[in-house]
Amino acid sequence: DAGVIQSPRHEVTEMGQEVTLRCKPISGHNSLFWYRQTMMRGLELLIYFNNNVPIDDSGMPEDRFSAKMPNASFSTLKIQPSEPRDSAVYFCASSFGGPGPQHFGDGTRLSIL
Amino acid sequence: KNEVEQSPQNLTAQEGEFITINCSYSVGISALHWLQQHPGGGIVSLFMLSSGKKKHGRLIATINIQEKHSSLHITASHPRDSAVYICAVFGNEKLTFGTGTRLTIIP
Repeated sequence: DAGVIQSPRHEVTEMGQEVTLRCKPISGHNSLFWYRQTMMRGLELLIYFNNNVPIDDSGMPEDRFSAKMPNASFSTLKIQPSEPRDSAVYFCASSFGGPGPQHFGDGTRLSIL
Repeated sequence: KNEVEQSPQNLTAQEGEFITINCSYSVGISALHWLQQHPGGGIVSLFMLSSGKKKHGRLIATINIQEKHSSLHITASHPRDSAVYICAVFGNEKLTFGTGTRLTIIP
């Protein structure tokens, strides 16, 4: 079975550019989570969707970040404009039923120069 | 004070030793997760608990809701268990993470 699929795996871009990260959750899962991991702050929850509806976006750092889930099989996390401090590994995870066991994607390693 | 505290932050042990990692939290929760992150960066969900105890292979996780405390145990530890172990609690539709415990098992 395919797990959570994230793309791209790596992204290097200049500050000011728009960055779009993509996630395909496991089929049948109805909850999707976006996380950011840095050395300084560890793993942080950015936003959590349940049945395609954002439930908790209190972790989204600022207006430059936005996330959408247009359907049950796809989500995007967008940063516009990007800044060097956005450099991190971004993980997507999905689960069935909110607090259920989560399955993580391999992450997107983002570097903003 | 963080809502989720893990201890120890770092742990080095010899192969074969019994390992215990602790997680204490201060909020009401509906579920607690133990995650494992290997040096390569991938994250694996080990357990989700809301009460009692779960076992998977050499791994055992327990939770005491009254004391707001969970433990992750590894029996007969092996170098491949070397990883960062992260506790996360889910409560009021919010997910809060501990800072992780870095475990190193020496052959």
